[in-house]
Amino acid sequence: DAGVIQSPRHEVTEMGQEVTLRCKPISGHDYLFWYRQTMMRGLELLIYFNNNVPIDDSGMPEDRFSAKMPNASFSTLKIQPSEPRDSAVYFCASSFPGAPYQETQYFGPGTRLLVL
Amino acid sequence: DAKTTQPNSMESNEEEPVHLPCNHSTISGTDYIHWYRQLPSQGPEYVIHGLTSNVNNRMASLAIAEDRKSSTLILHRATLRDAAVYYCILRDGYGGSQGNLIFGKGTKLSVKP
Repeated sequence: DAGVIQSPRHEVTEMGQEVTLRCKPISGHDYLFWYRQTMMRGLELLIYFNNNVPIDDSGMPEDRFSAKMPNASFSTLKIQPSEPRDSAVYFCASSFPGAPYQETQYFGPGTRLLVL
Repeated sequence: DAKTTQPNSMESNEEEPVHLPCNHSTISGTDYIHWYRQLPSQGPEYVIHGLTSNVNNRMASLAIAEDRKSSTLILHRATLRDAAVYYCILRDGYGGSQGNLIFGKGTKLSVKP
């Protein structure tokens, strides 16, 4: 199994530009999560989907952020317009429903975003 | 969500056992204790989890105190590859949702050759 796949692995952009991060979850997993990691705030959950439907987006910082999951094998996280404070590592994770609250999340390698 | 407290950092020698502590004095009866670790420049990876009884898997052992107010992740023989940040996380087993993996600052483990 290839694991969770994220692209690009690194992204450098200028303030004001649109940024799109992509994620392919593990086949058969029906939960997908987007996290952001910074030195200041650590790892924080942004949004998660179940069966392609957004369940909880309370962690999305503001309207500049949006996430979609058009099908079971693909999700995007978009930032428009991007700002320097969005610089972070963005992780995608997926899981399948095991025993409640015991399921394991599998993380991708992350996308390192730098907004200049 | 109940909170966990971990030391900021720990050091170990290669091939020696490592005991990583976690305090969770406000844990509820339905909270599961999960451990994840994050190797440098990688995403977090699952290590182990438990509720009341001690647990073993190929990666580690989890020792849970009888009152469940603390737990210890045990790496039986540390290798250089075990150098990582280790996160102790409580999963709400009652009324919580799938997304409740709340990461604290974790413990940064260094392994010396």
